[in-house]
Amino acid sequence: EVQLVVSGGGLVQPGRSLRLACEASGFTFDDFAMHWVRQAPGKGLEWVSGINWNSGSIDFADSVKGRFTISRDNAKNSLFLQMNSLRTEDTAFYYCVKDLGQQQLVFDYWGQGTLVTVSS
Amino acid sequence: SYELTQPPSVSVSPGQTASITCSGSKLGDRFACWYQQKPGQSPVLVIYEDFKRPSGIPERFSGSNSGNTATLTISGTQAVDEADYYCQAWDGNVVFGGGTKLTVL
Repeated sequence: EVQLVVSGGGLVQPGRSLRLACEASGFTFDDFAMHWVRQAPGKGLEWVSGINWNSGSIDFADSVKGRFTISRDNAKNSLFLQMNSLRTEDTAFYYCVKDLGQQQLVFDYWGQGTLVTVSS
Repeated sequence: SYELTQPPSVSVSPGQTASITCSGSKLGDRFACWYQQKPGQSPVLVIYEDFKRPSGIPERFSGSNSGNTATLTISGTQAVDEADYYCQAWDGNVVFGGGTKLTVL
């Protein structure tokens, strides 16, 4: 059974940093691209960032480019999102998401969302 | 930037067919997929590459994509299908539609 367990959310002040982690199990982690997708409370889905199996291809949404970084540790079946210079508009549930393949950009498994609240 | 437009809401009676549209420029030239999200839950993939169903998704869910419109069709809609539905495509980066709330009444 595929499981994606996310940790690291919480309340943070504007301008500060936060790091999310996602621990994957139930599949061969380094066979698949991984992504982060977020959803502001009561709003729609927004893709944030994606990384291919060997970290050789990384993309970001324009809204987070230059502030967020994505990384993965295949030895530990883990995905990370480092969020710097956080803004109030970054407040959202953040989902760790598995790609159907190697950057097919189809999201076949979603972890539970972790809430990041950016507020003073 | 590329945009996908969905109706905010669709209503359907139990047992009837629900159709949810997703519009975007030349969307038929790209692959579309659909996600179902129930309150308090994470999204679930229900259709990918226009019409393919992941394992475990009931046959009553189907999809099509042509011209500027992708359509998610739910045949014999059940109360458990009440949820928000999001379309998604790719145009350089991932794009989601704004979501459609499906009400079964």
